[in-house]
Amino acid sequence: DVKVTQSSRYLVKRTGEKVFLECVQDMDHENMFWYRQDPGLGLRLIYFSYDVKMKEKGDIPEGYSVSREKKERFSLILESASTNQTSMYLCASTNRADSSYEQYFGPGTRLTVT
Amino acid sequence: AQSVTQPDIHITVSEGASLELRCNYSYGATPYLFWYVQSPGQGLQLLLKYFSGDTLVQGIKGFEAEFKRSQSSFNLRKPSVHWSDAAEYFCAVGARTNAGKSTFGDGTTLTVKP
Repeated sequence: DVKVTQSSRYLVKRTGEKVFLECVQDMDHENMFWYRQDPGLGLRLIYFSYDVKMKEKGDIPEGYSVSREKKERFSLILESASTNQTSMYLCASTNRADSSYEQYFGPGTRLTVT
Repeated sequence: AQSVTQPDIHITVSEGASLELRCNYSYGATPYLFWYVQSPGQGLQLLLKYFSGDTLVQGIKGFEAEFKRSQSSFNLRKPSVHWSDAAEYFCAVGARTNAGKSTFGDGTTLTVKP
Protein backbone atom coordinates (compact mmCIF):
# COMPACT_ATOMS: atom_id res chain seq x y z
CA ASP A 1 0.00 0.00 0.00
CA VAL A 2 1.12 3.51 -0.75
CA LYS A 3 1.80 5.37 2.40
CA VAL A 4 1.96 9.11 2.82
CA THR A 5 2.84 10.26 6.30
CA GLN A 6 2.82 13.71 7.85
CA SER A 7 5.03 14.59 10.78
CA SER A 8 2.28 15.81 13.11
CA ARG A 9 -1.47 15.34 13.37
CA TYR A 10 -1.92 18.43 15.54
CA LEU A 11 0.31 21.45 15.91
CA VAL A 12 -0.08 24.66 17.91
CA LYS A 13 2.22 27.57 17.13
CA ARG A 14 2.44 31.23 18.03
CA THR A 15 2.09 34.13 15.64
CA GLY A 16 5.44 34.95 14.03
CA GLU A 17 6.98 31.52 14.53
CA LYS A 18 8.60 29.66 11.67
CA VAL A 19 6.70 26.41 11.10
CA PHE A 20 7.78 23.28 9.24
CA LEU A 21 5.31 20.67 8.08
CA GLU A 22 6.89 17.48 6.80
CA CYS A 23 5.49 14.93 4.38
CA VAL A 24 7.06 11.63 3.41
CA GLN A 25 5.87 9.07 0.86
CA ASP A 26 7.28 5.60 0.49
CA MET A 27 6.32 4.66 -3.09
CA ASP A 28 8.87 6.57 -5.12
CA HIS A 29 6.28 9.00 -6.49
CA GLU A 30 7.60 11.87 -8.58
CA ASN A 31 4.86 14.40 -7.83
CA MET A 32 3.99 15.81 -4.44
CA PHE A 33 1.45 18.42 -3.36
CA TRP A 34 0.52 20.59 -0.40
CA TYR A 35 -3.09 21.67 0.11
CA ARG A 36 -4.90 23.56 2.79
CA GLN A 37 -8.47 22.63 3.64
CA ASP A 38 -10.93 25.06 5.17
CA PRO A 39 -14.66 24.53 5.77
CA GLY A 40 -16.69 25.40 2.68
CA LEU A 41 -13.60 26.06 0.58
CA GLY A 42 -12.59 22.51 -0.30
CA LEU A 43 -8.93 21.83 -0.96
CA ARG A 44 -6.78 24.65 -2.25
CA LEU A 45 -3.37 23.94 -3.74
CA ILE A 46 -0.48 25.78 -2.11
CA TYR A 47 2.54 24.34 -3.92
CA PHE A 48 3.48 21.24 -5.83
CA SER A 49 6.67 19.57 -6.92
CA TYR A 50 7.24 17.28 -9.89
CA ASP A 51 10.85 16.41 -9.13
CA VAL A 52 13.58 16.88 -6.58
CA LYS A 53 14.42 20.56 -6.13
CA MET A 54 11.59 21.51 -8.51
CA LYS A 55 8.54 23.39 -7.30
CA GLU A 56 5.63 25.32 -8.72
CA LYS A 57 3.19 27.68 -7.08
CA GLY A 58 -0.37 26.59 -6.70
CA ASP A 59 -3.39 28.78 -6.21
CA ILE A 60 -2.54 30.22 -2.78
CA PRO A 61 1.26 30.30 -2.30
CA GLU A 62 1.44 33.60 -0.41
CA GLY A 63 2.98 33.19 3.05
CA TYR A 64 4.32 29.71 2.28
CA SER A 65 7.44 28.17 0.83
CA VAL A 66 8.44 24.57 0.14
CA SER A 67 11.49 22.39 -0.01
CA ARG A 68 12.13 19.11 -1.81
CA GLU A 69 15.68 17.94 -1.28
CA LYS A 70 14.86 14.23 -1.53
CA LYS A 71 12.33 12.48 -3.72
CA GLU A 72 10.36 11.05 -0.81
CA ARG A 73 10.11 14.21 1.29
CA PHE A 74 8.25 17.45 0.67
CA SER A 75 8.27 20.16 3.31
CA LEU A 76 5.92 23.10 3.70
CA ILE A 77 7.33 26.13 5.48
CA LEU A 78 5.42 28.98 7.05
CA GLU A 79 8.10 31.67 7.34
CA SER A 80 6.17 33.73 9.89
CA ALA A 81 2.96 32.07 10.99
CA SER A 82 -0.19 34.15 11.17
CA THR A 83 -3.61 33.39 12.61
CA ASN A 84 -5.15 33.22 9.13
CA GLN A 85 -2.94 30.20 8.44
CA THR A 86 -4.84 28.18 11.03
CA SER A 87 -6.12 25.30 8.91
CA MET A 88 -5.90 21.62 8.02
CA TYR A 89 -2.90 20.91 5.79
CA LEU A 90 -2.94 17.88 3.52
CA CYS A 91 -0.04 16.39 1.62
CA ALA A 92 -0.52 14.17 -1.43
CA SER A 93 1.55 12.38 -4.02
CA THR A 94 1.03 10.93 -7.49
CA ASN A 95 2.92 8.47 -9.63
CA ARG A 96 3.89 9.77 -13.05
CA ALA A 97 3.67 6.25 -14.43
CA ASP A 98 0.00 6.10 -13.45
CA SER A 99 -1.68 7.84 -16.36
CA SER A 100 -4.74 8.73 -14.31
CA TYR A 101 -2.72 10.63 -11.67
CA GLU A 102 -4.71 9.37 -8.72
CA GLN A 103 -3.68 11.32 -5.62
CA TYR A 104 -2.61 9.55 -2.43
CA PHE A 105 -3.18 11.62 0.69
CA GLY A 106 -1.62 11.78 4.10
CA PRO A 107 -3.79 12.00 7.23
CA GLY A 108 -3.41 15.77 7.51
CA THR A 109 -1.93 18.19 10.03
CA ARG A 110 -4.30 20.46 11.89
CA LEU A 111 -2.35 23.63 12.58
CA THR A 112 -3.54 26.25 15.04
CA VAL A 113 -1.75 29.59 15.17
CA THR A 114 -2.46 31.63 18.28
CA ALA B 1 -8.78 26.71 -16.47
CA GLN B 2 -10.39 23.67 -14.93
CA SER B 3 -13.02 23.94 -12.21
CA VAL B 4 -15.43 21.75 -10.28
CA THR B 5 -18.82 22.56 -8.78
CA GLN B 6 -20.55 20.47 -6.16
CA PRO B 7 -23.95 22.14 -5.86
CA ASP B 8 -24.96 20.46 -2.60
CA ILE B 9 -23.07 21.53 0.52
CA HIS B 10 -24.92 19.14 2.80
CA ILE B 11 -27.15 16.12 2.11
CA THR B 12 -29.06 14.00 4.62
CA VAL B 13 -30.39 10.56 3.71
CA SER B 14 -31.89 7.72 5.69
CA GLU B 15 -29.95 4.53 6.09
CA GLY B 16 -30.90 2.14 3.31
CA ALA B 17 -32.00 4.91 0.97
CA SER B 18 -30.32 5.63 -2.35
CA LEU B 19 -27.80 8.43 -2.75
CA GLU B 20 -26.73 10.72 -5.55
CA LEU B 21 -24.09 13.40 -5.12
CA ARG B 22 -23.75 15.87 -7.95
CA CYS B 23 -20.59 17.09 -9.61
CA ASN B 24 -20.17 19.39 -12.59
CA TYR B 25 -16.83 20.21 -14.09
CA SER B 26 -15.31 22.61 -16.55
CA TYR B 27 -12.39 21.49 -18.66
CA GLY B 28 -11.41 22.05 -22.26
CA ALA B 29 -10.80 18.44 -23.20
CA THR B 30 -11.53 15.00 -21.85
CA PRO B 31 -10.67 15.19 -18.18
CA TYR B 32 -9.61 12.79 -15.52
CA LEU B 33 -12.40 12.70 -12.92
CA PHE B 34 -12.25 11.48 -9.36
CA TRP B 35 -14.40 11.07 -6.28
CA TYR B 36 -12.67 11.05 -2.90
CA VAL B 37 -14.12 10.47 0.56
CA GLN B 38 -12.88 11.98 3.80
CA SER B 39 -13.92 10.60 7.17
CA PRO B 40 -13.69 12.99 10.14
CA GLY B 41 -10.10 13.84 11.04
CA GLN B 42 -8.67 11.80 8.17
CA GLY B 43 -7.05 12.36 4.82
CA LEU B 44 -8.85 11.72 1.54
CA GLN B 45 -9.33 8.25 0.09
CA LEU B 46 -10.07 7.54 -3.55
CA LEU B 47 -13.53 6.06 -4.18
CA LEU B 48 -13.34 5.83 -7.96
CA LYS B 49 -11.93 7.46 -11.05
CA TYR B 50 -12.66 7.93 -14.73
CA PHE B 51 -9.95 8.50 -17.30
CA SER B 52 -11.09 6.61 -20.39
CA GLY B 53 -13.36 3.83 -21.62
CA ASP B 54 -16.67 2.88 -20.05
CA THR B 55 -18.44 5.97 -18.79
CA LEU B 56 -19.98 4.08 -15.84
CA VAL B 57 -17.27 3.37 -13.32
CA GLN B 58 -17.44 1.21 -10.24
CA GLY B 59 -15.60 2.05 -7.07
CA ILE B 60 -15.03 0.81 -3.58
CA LYS B 61 -17.71 0.50 -0.90
CA GLY B 62 -20.46 -0.03 -3.49
CA PHE B 63 -20.21 3.41 -5.11
CA GLU B 64 -20.48 4.11 -8.81
CA ALA B 65 -20.33 7.23 -10.96
CA GLU B 66 -21.28 8.07 -14.51
CA PHE B 67 -19.35 10.41 -16.78
CA LYS B 68 -21.72 12.40 -19.00
CA ARG B 69 -19.76 14.54 -21.41
CA SER B 70 -22.83 16.33 -22.79
CA GLN B 71 -23.76 17.51 -19.29
CA SER B 72 -20.20 17.98 -17.99
CA SER B 73 -21.19 15.89 -15.02
CA PHE B 74 -19.78 13.05 -12.96
CA ASN B 75 -22.40 12.22 -10.35
CA LEU B 76 -21.73 9.71 -7.59
CA ARG B 77 -24.37 7.13 -6.70
CA LYS B 78 -24.98 4.38 -4.20
CA PRO B 79 -28.16 2.26 -4.18
CA SER B 80 -28.33 1.74 -0.41
CA VAL B 81 -26.51 3.96 2.06
CA HIS B 82 -24.97 2.61 5.26
CA TRP B 83 -24.39 4.66 8.44
CA SER B 84 -20.63 4.29 7.89
CA ASP B 85 -20.95 6.28 4.64
CA ALA B 86 -21.38 9.49 6.63
CA ALA B 87 -18.40 11.60 5.57
CA GLU B 88 -17.38 14.44 3.29
CA TYR B 89 -17.16 13.73 -0.42
CA PHE B 90 -15.00 15.58 -2.90
CA CYS B 91 -15.18 15.55 -6.67
CA ALA B 92 -11.99 16.44 -8.52
CA VAL B 93 -10.94 17.07 -12.10
CA GLY B 94 -7.40 16.44 -13.23
CA ALA B 95 -5.52 17.72 -16.22
CA ARG B 96 -3.87 15.27 -18.55
CA THR B 97 -0.72 17.36 -18.25
CA ASN B 98 1.04 19.38 -15.59
CA ALA B 99 2.19 16.73 -13.15
CA GLY B 100 -1.25 15.43 -12.46
CA LYS B 101 -2.52 18.54 -10.76
CA SER B 102 -6.17 18.19 -9.71
CA THR B 103 -8.78 20.79 -8.89
CA PHE B 104 -11.22 19.90 -6.13
CA GLY B 105 -14.79 20.89 -5.50
CA ASP B 106 -15.83 22.41 -2.19
CA GLY B 107 -17.17 19.10 -0.94
CA THR B 108 -20.54 17.64 0.06
CA THR B 109 -21.12 16.53 3.63
CA LEU B 110 -23.29 13.43 3.90
CA THR B 111 -25.31 12.77 7.05
CA VAL B 112 -27.01 9.38 7.41
CA LYS B 113 -30.15 9.17 9.57
CA PRO B 114 -30.82 5.87 11.35
